[in-house]
Amino acid sequence: DGGITQSPKYLFRKEGQNVTLSCEQNLNHDAMYWYRQDPGQGLRLIYYSQIVNDFQKGDIAEGYSVSREKKESFPLTVTSAQKNPTAFYLCASSIDGGQGYYEQYFGPGTRLTVT
Amino acid sequence: QQPVQSPQAVILREGEDAVINCSSSKALYSVHWYRQKHGEAPVFLMILLKGGEQKGHEKISASFNEKKQQSSLYLTASQLSYSGTYFCGTEVGYQKVTFGTGTKLQVIP
Repeated sequence: DGGITQSPKYLFRKEGQNVTLSCEQNLNHDAMYWYRQDPGQGLRLIYYSQIVNDFQKGDIAEGYSVSREKKESFPLTVTSAQKNPTAFYLCASSIDGGQGYYEQYFGPGTRLTVT
Repeated sequence: QQPVQSPQAVILREGEDAVINCSSSKALYSVHWYRQKHGEAPVFLMILLKGGEQKGHEKISASFNEKKQQSSLYLTASQLSYSGTYFCGTEVGYQKVTFGTGTKLQVIP
């Protein structure tokens, strides 16, 4: 079955530690995304990547870093510079279906708690 | 900048209709609509492209006014399964989608 996997589902870290969230897809999608979800604020774009070895900052990239060394993988590192890292993190991917049509497929998410 | 959705929340009885609005301050390539049920990942509903017509399937449809940079989602004869949070996503750059704050919809018997 094709899909997006995120691991782990729940993650706990101490303040001041960097943490990396995993995102893998076997849909052969070119584009991948990271969103952060907080209550009442919807989904906010952190980073996105349209092709391997290239990525762009989203609306809230400060305190985060990503890499895209392989088409199927797009890990997100939450650094100690992120002021309020506790949130629900969603990874997504998409492929251009032509004529501007595409849809995003989301992974199940990782809930990160930093204390 | 995130698009603005309204209302923030709505409660419907089964069979009633609802409209969810999405407004952006930027010119849009397209508008996406997703639904997220509690504890689950968002699921794609539809995409509306510039120059495209009203899209939809079954009892959920949407429109896109490019000039006003607005989109509306229409839910007709709502069912219990329609409950969830609805997000509009606006594409302001190629494959860069920015989501709104969401509209929480609850359908009750």
